[in-house]
Amino acid sequence: DADVTQTPRNRITKTGKRIMLECSQTKGHDRMYWYRQDPGLGLRLIYYSFDVKDINKGEISDGYSVSRQAQAKFSLSLESAIPNQTALYFCATRGEMNTEAFFGQGTRLTVV
Amino acid sequence: AQSVTQLGSHVSVSEGALVLLRCNYSSSVPPYLFWYVQYPNQGLQLLLKYTSAATLVKGINGFEAEFKKSETSFHLTKPSAHMSDAAEYFCAVSSSYYGNNRLAFGKGNQVVVIP
Repeated sequence: DADVTQTPRNRITKTGKRIMLECSQTKGHDRMYWYRQDPGLGLRLIYYSFDVKDINKGEISDGYSVSRQAQAKFSLSLESAIPNQTALYFCATRGEMNTEAFFGQGTRLTVV
Repeated sequence: AQSVTQLGSHVSVSEGALVLLRCNYSSSVPPYLFWYVQYPNQGLQLLLKYTSAATLVKGINGFEAEFKKSETSFHLTKPSAHMSDAAEYFCAVSSSYYGNNRLAFGKGNQVVVIP
């Protein structure tokens, strides 16, 4: 089993719909992150969490919300999806400060 | 805040030729630097990392990178490209002096290997 699991892997949704992307990890890490990948823009940070009670906005948090249900689970929600939120979304975890991040396989989201 | 610059979104290299991907970082404090690779339809996988132990870092699949503080660079190289090296490569920087301890990524290099 993968260390970081994202569900679903692919999703097509309509404009205005609410959608949730889920992430779970078996690394035992406290730090979890949600990134968005767009062609030519690299990975941009949406939200991050250092523990269950700690949630922080990243550089592009508008239109998104998150929930840290447990140490191992971190979900990303789009309250009202819009077409420019079409992208590849990655969840990642890190252990100690400045260690490498471990990534899920990604969720390809299309908003029509 | 720390950041990285990767020039040239697409890089073409002939099979057997040198692979050179450039990464320059901006950080006011000692950085931790990473190179990741992304194969089609997959997540990011760590190639190598610099954590101040040694300036020349060897990674997986024959890749290596050299940290040069004077040039604020961490360029990735591989002496001989293989078809399997076709992928997207990302440089990233982190720093222990920032409370949020973010991992900031460059825009990536899409590597195409020409037979």
